[in-house]
Amino acid sequence: KAGVTQTPRYLIKTRGQQVTLSCSPISGHRSVSWYQQTPGQGLQFLFEYFSETQRNKGNFPGRFSGRQFSNSRSEMNVSTLELGDSALYLCASSNGDMETQYFGPGTRLLVL
Amino acid sequence: AQSVTQLGSHVSVSEGALVLLRCNYSSSVPPYLFWYVQYPNQGLQLLLKYTSAATLVKGINGFEAEFKKSETSFHLTKPSAHMSDAAEYFCAVSDTGGNEKLTFGTGTRLTIIP
Repeated sequence: KAGVTQTPRYLIKTRGQQVTLSCSPISGHRSVSWYQQTPGQGLQFLFEYFSETQRNKGNFPGRFSGRQFSNSRSEMNVSTLELGDSALYLCASSNGDMETQYFGPGTRLLVL
Repeated sequence: AQSVTQLGSHVSVSEGALVLLRCNYSSSVPPYLFWYVQYPNQGLQLLLKYTSAATLVKGINGFEAEFKKSETSFHLTKPSAHMSDAAEYFCAVSDTGGNEKLTFGTGTRLTIIP
């Protein structure tokens, strides 16, 4: 079974721009969660989608948003990028029933 | 709110020596607990998880962890370290709200001395 895939793997943007990251979960998984990883703040939960509905949200500003499609693929969008948004963004999928979350390789975003 | 504390941001052990990485959790109800490993430029890989079944949990690559409710601990151990174990290790606790949110510790970087 193919694992979680994330595209793109690397991205460079400038302040003020917006960015969209994509995540394809493991086949059959209906839950997709997003995490931000930075050296200063560590791993922080952004949000979780289950069957196209946001089920939980972390403490991030409204510039961070996401959505999930009917095939469970998910996208997250960050608008008006700030230097502090530079991070590794990780996506994880599961069957949504408190089972194991499987992580993708991440998208490394650099904001200049 | 759930929280996890990992004692020691850096741990160094000699090849063949015991690996002990510490994790203490704070939770109002028995949680689900996880250990993940992250190799450079990669995502997180699950090592093992505790879901209120056996208190001693065996994982991949020879790792195991013991859930001790009285100490609110879930320390990760491996009897004999291998060079390939060098990585960053994260302890995590699941949310109690029936959703998938994980709260992670700050991580422990494990270095193996040849």
